[in-house]
Amino acid sequence: EIVLTQSPGTLSLSPGERATLSCRASQSVSSSYLAWYQQKPGQAPRLLIYGASSRATGIPDRFSGSGSGTDFTLTISRLEPEDFAVYYCQQYGSSPPFTFGQGTKLEIK
Amino acid sequence: EVQLVESGGGLVQPGGSLRLSCAASGFTFSDHYMDWVRQAPGKGLEWVGRTRNKANSYTTEYAASVKGRFTISRDDSKNSLYLQMNSLKTEDTAVYYCARERVGYYYGSGSYYPYYYYYMDVWGKGTTVTVSS
Repeated sequence: EIVLTQSPGTLSLSPGERATLSCRASQSVSSSYLAWYQQKPGQAPRLLIYGASSRATGIPDRFSGSGSGTDFTLTISRLEPEDFAVYYCQQYGSSPPFTFGQGTKLEIK
Repeated sequence: EVQLVESGGGLVQPGGSLRLSCAASGFTFSDHYMDWVRQAPGKGLEWVGRTRNKANSYTTEYAASVKGRFTISRDDSKNSLYLQMNSLKTEDTAVYYCARERVGYYYGSGSYYPYYYYYMDVWGKGTTVTVSS
């Protein structure tokens, strides 16, 4: 089973700043089957990024994903008030189990 | 509108059973692989299991934590996904989400063929299961 470790656990930033979230896998993620989700309190997760770097439909271009192999990054270029939430990375593919990182909480400084 | 709506959650005693349902609308349910994901109170997301579609024999896969206790099924005629949970434990207490895996199509040799992306692009709002005596 691939273990995903996200860092930092909590990130405190101000609106307008740049956020960089990390996701490290215990072994290589095949075909860059790596997704990022945003979750706000009381809501379901929302897909942001798939294939490590492709934005999902309707996701603003201030969100970008990068990386391959075992190291992946989600970058939010200029934080908007609605971006403060918990972010999860997930590895997926044809062969489960699929695993999620433990999450990074992005909070307002 | 593409939508997934879970139901069937509630309070159940340890060792008991519960069946969750997920009603799909706004898309061709039968084409898609479907998953269950759960989230314990104050915790992160945990993948529970997946069912493939008819073209892939409705095969299922499960997380080790639920294998042998939980069963995923689907009824394409009713656009519905199910999660039968038996021998429930207190650690099964969570919000349970159903999620759709994206499928696309490509054209080749005079026909359209499915392309499975495997990521979960649509989620329901979840249903809460509490296992407690």
